[in-house]
Amino acid sequence: DSGVTQTPKHLITATGQRVTLRCSPRSGDLSVYWYQQSLDQGLQFLIQYYNGEERAKGNILERFSAQQFPDLHSELNLSSLELGDSALYFCASSGGLAVPYEQYFGPGTRLTVT
Amino acid sequence: AQKITQTQPGMFVQEKEAVTLDCTYDTSDPSYGLFWYKQPSSGEMIFLIYQGSYDQQNATEGRYSLNFQKARKSANLVISASQLGDSAMYFCAMRIPGAQKLVFGQGTRLTINP
Repeated sequence: DSGVTQTPKHLITATGQRVTLRCSPRSGDLSVYWYQQSLDQGLQFLIQYYNGEERAKGNILERFSAQQFPDLHSELNLSSLELGDSALYFCASSGGLAVPYEQYFGPGTRLTVT
Repeated sequence: AQKITQTQPGMFVQEKEAVTLDCTYDTSDPSYGLFWYKQPSSGEMIFLIYQGSYDQQNATEGRYSLNFQKARKSANLVISASQLGDSAMYFCAMRIPGAQKLVFGQGTRLTINP
């Protein structure tokens, strides 16, 4: 158990819908990262938050947005869903900007868009 | 741009044998970190081992060791005395300080045969 929790574990929804994925980092970790794992793109970095502020952006679509709340949990919002958004979405956390670089991953949320 | 290459899509190994999973990387930054993660069929990403670019010694964690050859830009994972439970996808990843994100290779599917 990495200490990172993600809910829900599975999500099935229809095209055009909006969903919210939730992540709670390990206790004490300030950084949260979101990754998408799909069959054709592999594991891709989406976005990173550090102590409530956006720090880095990767291949995140404009239809997607995220935020990190004062209690450090994070949410990834996916809207106007398309079939191609079906993927495993991971949240990871780490201790901070200058601390040990290990990123610990949550169990993931498997999103299926039908 | 940073890139990770894993050239072995799949490997089959007999139980109790040692196995080496290949990883080469490309970066112009002198400071970077290299990671290996295991992803069993259940989907979670499990952190295995980390090697910093300035580390003098190869990293080891139990049955896992990282064969770090900086001049060749390779960071191969060695699993000693393989077990059936080692069957999984293995991902090599690189982190550049400041960039925050992890860049992943395409993975190697390891199958341990009894």
